[in-house]
Amino acid sequence: KQEVTQIPAALSVPEGENLVLNCSFTDSAIYNLQWFRQDPGKGLTSLLLIQSSQREQTSGRLNASLDKSSGRSTLYIAASQPGDSATYLCAVNSGGYQKVTFGTGTKLQVIP
Amino acid sequence: EPEVTQTPSHQVTQMGQEVILRCVPISNHLYFYWYRQILGQKVEFLVSFYNNEISEKSEIFDDQFSVERPDGSNFTLKIRSTKLEDSAMYFCASVRGPTQEQFFGPGTRLTVL
Repeated sequence: KQEVTQIPAALSVPEGENLVLNCSFTDSAIYNLQWFRQDPGKGLTSLLLIQSSQREQTSGRLNASLDKSSGRSTLYIAASQPGDSATYLCAVNSGGYQKVTFGTGTKLQVIP
Repeated sequence: EPEVTQTPSHQVTQMGQEVILRCVPISNHLYFYWYRQILGQKVEFLVSFYNNEISEKSEIFDDQFSVERPDGSNFTLKIRSTKLEDSAMYFCASVRGPTQEQFFGPGTRLTVL
């Protein structure tokens, strides 16, 4: 059974700081891993998708890496802004349109 | 850019009543998911659906739940007899194959009284 853990549960940083969010999973037989952001009371917005054969993906100030062998993914946010304040979720897809397992999320607050 | 839509945004119902939550996926997607998120908890997989059939369902998705695609655009989740513990946000996701990237709708907040 896949289990996904995100550390830390909450993070508060001053504006402009670079930061790293962590996602760990127990079963390395994955199809892909997707990072989302969730604003309070809202849906999930897709940030980055990494296929199992990839090591990293970049979009603007965001960079996600994947190390399947160690069961880890990181989301790097450069030059954080107050608008980045949200909960960040990672989701592990075990493949074949089967079950997707979400982590518990990291709640990020960027202080102006 | 195409979006996933869900209706209603908020549904209040009495315990024991049936509810139908509706989703309009992105038009050229063929795979869909339903998830729920109880307040303050993690997003939980309910069911995946392809070609008018369930691909996989979780232990949460018991006989009280059903899904269908009644026409070419809508995708519905029915809860036959709601319980207090069904109160949650329900999200529909539309999946772009073959990358299997998921695009979420804004959710329906279900409140069971």
